[in-house]
Order: sequence, then structure tokens, then C-alpha cells
Amino acid sequence: SQTIHQWPATLVQPVGSPLSLECTVEGTSNPNLYWYRQAAGRGLQLLFYSVGIGQISSEVPQNLSASRPQDRQFILSSKKLLLSDSGFYLCAWSALHGTNQPQHFGDGTRLSIL
Amino acid sequence: GESVGLHLPTLSVQEGDNSIINCAYSNSASDYFIWYKQESGKGPQFIIDIRSNMDKRQGQRVTVLLNKTVKHLSLQIAATQPGDSAVYFCAENNDYKLSFGAGTTVTVRA
Repeated sequence: SQTIHQWPATLVQPVGSPLSLECTVEGTSNPNLYWYRQAAGRGLQLLFYSVGIGQISSEVPQNLSASRPQDRQFILSSKKLLLSDSGFYLCAWSALHGTNQPQHFGDGTRLSIL
Repeated sequence: GESVGLHLPTLSVQEGDNSIINCAYSNSASDYFIWYKQESGKGPQFIIDIRSNMDKRQGQRVTVLLNKTVKHLSLQIAATQPGDSAVYFCAENNDYKLSFGAGTTVTVRA
């Protein structure tokens, strides 16, 4: 069966520090991969998606970037964190680009910027 | 902005009763819809999905109804249990992108 792992589960970082959040998927090949941010009491906002290695699309302008160095690895980064980057970050995968398939989520990283 | 919304932000239901969670969507071209359950501190968990060529789909204790005429989606949970307490999100899919509503918080009373 497929599993998705995100780490760390929680992270406290000072303003201006760099960020690297990692997500890996097991049990499937060539997944679509996604990064979302969820503000408290809100729905999910899509940040980035990837349909293959090295292919990244950004949905909203922001202080973050994403990379996909391997088929089942998706990384969310920042060179300098802002206070507004605080939130709950979720990684998800789905099968088969362009078809109606559900996205499956990891358990997220709670990021607090001080 | 969000194209998917929910009629009520909270729902309190007696254990053993049926729950109905409603959702309105705005994009008439959306062809696939998903319900997720999110417990505190966890990622959203897939519950059930429905394609636009259907108006009803049933799972274990859950039923999703789709009314394309009024762009309305609902999730029915039969015999609600304490473990059903969570935030429920509907999402509409256009190609590979999901648009989420803000969610409905369901609280089950013992």
C-alpha cells in the first residue's frame, strides 16, 4: 500500500532563517505531488504541484520554493522565513495526472515563526 | 479566492443520529468531488468521492449526494459515532487541482 511521510511534525524557526521540509511517498511510482498550506480554521491553499522530477508549478507568489529531486521526494524550502510563513504545511500525492483521482495527504508540519 | 464553500461552519449531533454536511460549489465545469475528514493535528483523510456523471454514491456509513443543477454537494453520515468528530471538507477537482472550502466542524454529543 502507499504511504506518505512528512517531517518534521513541528518546527519553530526564527524570522530570516532558512527552511527545508521534506515529503516522501512509498508504494507508488510517478505520483503527482503537492504542497499545501492551511491557515488556522481555514481550508487548504495549493502552493506547488509537480507532475514529474524537476517539474514544479507554483500557484501563488510567495517566499517559498519547491523542488523534486527524485520521483517520490518533494521538498519545500525558503531562504529567509517571514512571520507570515507560519502555518500548517501539508504534502499530498495522487496517481495519474489529468484523471479524476483523490489526493492523499501526509500528517503535516506545524511551522511557527518567531 | 475559494470557489467551494460550506453552508454551516459547525454541526452538533447526538451520538447515533444521522449527520448531514452541506457544501456549495461555484464552478459548473468541475467534474469530480471529494469529501475529506481532518482530525486535530492530522492531515485530511479521504472519505468518499463522486464524479459528475453520478448523483449519489454510498460507502461504509457515508453517502455523498451531488446536485449539479444547484451546484450542491452533501455528505451524510449514518449513526454518527464519537470518532466522527472532526472537521469535514469538500473539495472540487478541475484536472489535477483541488479547491477546498473552509470546512465544517462536527461535534458528536454523547
